[in-house]
Amino acid sequence: QSVLTQPPSVSGAPGQRVTISCSGSSSNIGAGYDVHWYQQVPGTAPKLLIYGNNNRPSGVPDRFSGSKSGTSASLAITGLQAEDEADYFCQSYDSSLSGWVFGGGTKLTVL
Amino acid sequence: QVQLVQSGAEVKKPGASVKVSCKASGYTFTNYAFHWVRQAPGHRLEWMGWIHTGNGDTKYSQKFQGRVTITRDTSASTAYMELSSLRSEDTAVYYCARARGSGPFDSWGQGTLVTVSS
Repeated sequence: QSVLTQPPSVSGAPGQRVTISCSGSSSNIGAGYDVHWYQQVPGTAPKLLIYGNNNRPSGVPDRFSGSKSGTSASLAITGLQAEDEADYFCQSYDSSLSGWVFGGGTKLTVL
Repeated sequence: QVQLVQSGAEVKKPGASVKVSCKASGYTFTNYAFHWVRQAPGHRLEWMGWIHTGNGDTKYSQKFQGRVTITRDTSASTAYMELSSLRSEDTAVYYCARARGSGPFDSWGQGTLVTVSS
């Protein structure tokens, strides 16, 4: 069952800005647990992109940013580049499941 | 640099068990917990469980409780995930990932494809 809900796909032209939403509930995002975002190029392992709602690991361009409000979070990507084409997953902890949960993933297509 | 290297692909028959290893290098093994996550074809990432590498404490997803066992060998800087009573729906890529405390999964193994087929 879906615990964190993401749109299946988003798209944008090079240079544009896109956002990916992640909708949760009072037992995960709304309970104050951090949201993390991962980027996965098909056929490779996920890579940490944003941690603690809005922090970037070293090496991640500042074109990527995260935010969180209430029971939802968002990932924003500005200045889209062809190399950004990938799947993006949100993650949080869920107290009712006593474990970590992921969103269904969003496929970003750069037109 | 940090590396997590997993064991190779496996093909198993229904009802069998599989054990996947994940060898860490480039950091102090016991400073980070290990999680196991799987991804079935076309499906979301699914958290299976984790192990505290210092004391060996484990916690499993309710979905896999009773079927999964996560262990570690600190002398070999290696974590293991064993899944039993395999069925076709367990066909997936299995990943190990490290995390500091309850933090994000900041490094991942390359993945191990487990195929369950008669």
